[in-house]
Amino acid sequence: ETGVTQTPRHLVMGMTNKKSLKCEQHLGHNAMYWYKQSAKKPLELMFVYNFKEQTENNSVPSRFSPECPNSSHLFLHLHTLQPEDSALYLCASSQVVAYGYTFGSGTRLTVV
Amino acid sequence: LAKTTQPISMDSYEGQEVNITCSHNNIATNDYITWYQQFPSQGPRFIIQGYKTKVTNEVASLFIPADRKSSTLSLPRVSLSDTAVYYCLVGDEGGKLIFGQGTELSVKP
Repeated sequence: ETGVTQTPRHLVMGMTNKKSLKCEQHLGHNAMYWYKQSAKKPLELMFVYNFKEQTENNSVPSRFSPECPNSSHLFLHLHTLQPEDSALYLCASSQVVAYGYTFGSGTRLTVV
Repeated sequence: LAKTTQPISMDSYEGQEVNITCSHNNIATNDYITWYQQFPSQGPRFIIQGYKTKVTNEVASLFIPADRKSSTLSLPRVSLSDTAVYYCLVGDEGGKLIFGQGTELSVKP
């Protein structure tokens, strides 16, 4: 248990489905992030939220829609995904942006 | 734009000391150096962070020369469970952290 909890751990979805990934942290951190990690590739930063406000969108396709209702929760809404979107999606948080990340265990997403 | 360069892979044997060096020639004055460890299908785990000279904690040491253009993560007496990917990152409080390819460490019996 790292202090950052991601659910679900595994998700299989069809290309026409809509699903959401959830991330929760109780570390009192102010910044939260979504990363994507495809097989044998480095982690790719997707979104950055600082004090609930989105400060970074790293050219992510609109079929990925983040939501940050408060500093403790972060969602990633998924719709009309493609098979190449299959990956490990990791959530992280930090007290300040880019300093001492704590990662969750990730959601393994498979798009069929 | 990658800010760090590390070896792609390293091999070691149980009980040995492992040193992984990272180059960060364009490190900025305010940048800290942070190392993470990642096991398959898990999120990276913070190992150690430093700004200059030497930092030591219960799992590793971090050596940073005076020019700060490189850093070395030292893992004493590795075991099989230290087999993982190790990432070196540089960044400050105002900038985002970018992960590179990391170093895949394989510890053999």
